[in-house]
Parts: sequence; structure tokens; C-alpha cells
Amino acid sequence: AQSVTQLDSQVPVFEEAPVELRCNYSSSVSVYLFWYVQYPNQGLQLLLKYLSGSTLVKGINGFEAEFNKSQTSFHLRKPSVHISDTAEYFCAVNSGTYKYIFGTGTRLKVLA
Amino acid sequence: DAGVIQSPRHEVTEMGQEVTLRCKPISGHDYLFWYRQTMMRGLELLIYFNNNVPIDDSGMPEDRFSAKMPNASFSTLKIQPSEPRDSAVYFCASSRVEAFFGQGTRLTVV
Repeated sequence: AQSVTQLDSQVPVFEEAPVELRCNYSSSVSVYLFWYVQYPNQGLQLLLKYLSGSTLVKGINGFEAEFNKSQTSFHLRKPSVHISDTAEYFCAVNSGTYKYIFGTGTRLKVLA
Repeated sequence: DAGVIQSPRHEVTEMGQEVTLRCKPISGHDYLFWYRQTMMRGLELLIYFNNNVPIDDSGMPEDRFSAKMPNASFSTLKIQPSEPRDSAVYFCASSRVEAFFGQGTRLTVV
């Protein structure tokens, strides 16, 4: 069975500081990995995805993530955050069966 | 493409009433998912379809919930009878590889 763990439920960070949101997964087969962002009262929007190839993937809004197979991690990073990045971020895994498993989410709060 | 379209955006109903949520997936996507989001339980997968056929409904909480996909461009999630504990935001998503989500339906059962 697959699972996704987002270790931090909330991450406060000052504007223009770097941030890393952690995601670990477990799966006995190869996986596809995703990060989604949810702004208040909206649906989930895809930030980036790892399907295969380069382990460093770049997404929208300046975010990037690195797939680390040995550590079964897919951490999300941004070198300098903006107030508008305040949102909830979800990591998700899919083993190719198209059944997405989501983490519990990390609430990023950017402080002025 | 207009994306995944859900209706209504908000629904307030009385306990015991039937509620029907609607979803129009992105054209060409062959997977459709229904999720429920609450503060307590996070994002839960209720059911998903492939080519209009239900593949996994193990997340459907009980018999009061049912979902249909009569064709590739329409799906419904029905709750009958509704209960206050069904209050949540219900999302529909469709995919070929990555999932695209609708804006959700906020259901309040009083």
C-alpha cells in the first residue's frame, strides 16, 4: 500500500526567506509524485510533477522539488517566498493505477 | 478548456433531504475522481471512474452515498438522506496523467 507523510502541518516563514516543505512517501512500486497548492475557498492547483527523468523538477510560481528515491522523499522548495504564497500545500503519490494518495497538507504562512 | 466544472458551488440543505452534486470533467480525460475535504479528515478519495466505469468505491462512507457517470462528460454524487456530518467540501477531479480539480462544492447540512 502507498502512503504519503507531510511532516509539518504548519510552516511560518518571513517574506523573501527560503522555504522547504517536506514530503515522504512509501510504495513498493515506482511512483509518480505531485505537489498541489490550495488557496482559500479554491480547488487544488498543480504546482509540479515528477513522472520520470531528471530528479529536479521545476514548477509554477518559482517552486521546485527534488525526487530522492533512496530517501523516498519529494521535498518542495522555493528560494524566496512572497506573501501570495500563503496557502496549503499537498503532496500526492500515484503508482500508475491513477489512484492518487494525498498527504495531510502543510499550511505555509508567509509573514511580512 | 474551461477546466473541471462543478455545480453548485454552495449547497445548504436540511437533514434528510437528497443532495446531488454535479461535475463536468475536462474533455479527453479518462479518469474522474470524487474527493471530500474536511478539517478533521483532510482530503479523502470517495470513488473514481475510468472510462465511465467505477473502479474503486471503497472510500464511499456508506450506502447513503452513490455516484454515477452516465457519459464521459458528466458525473453526479448523490447523498440520500443527507446528515449534518456530511457537511464538507466535495471536489471532483479528472485526469489523463495529473489530476485537475474543480473549485469544489461546499455542502452544509443543517
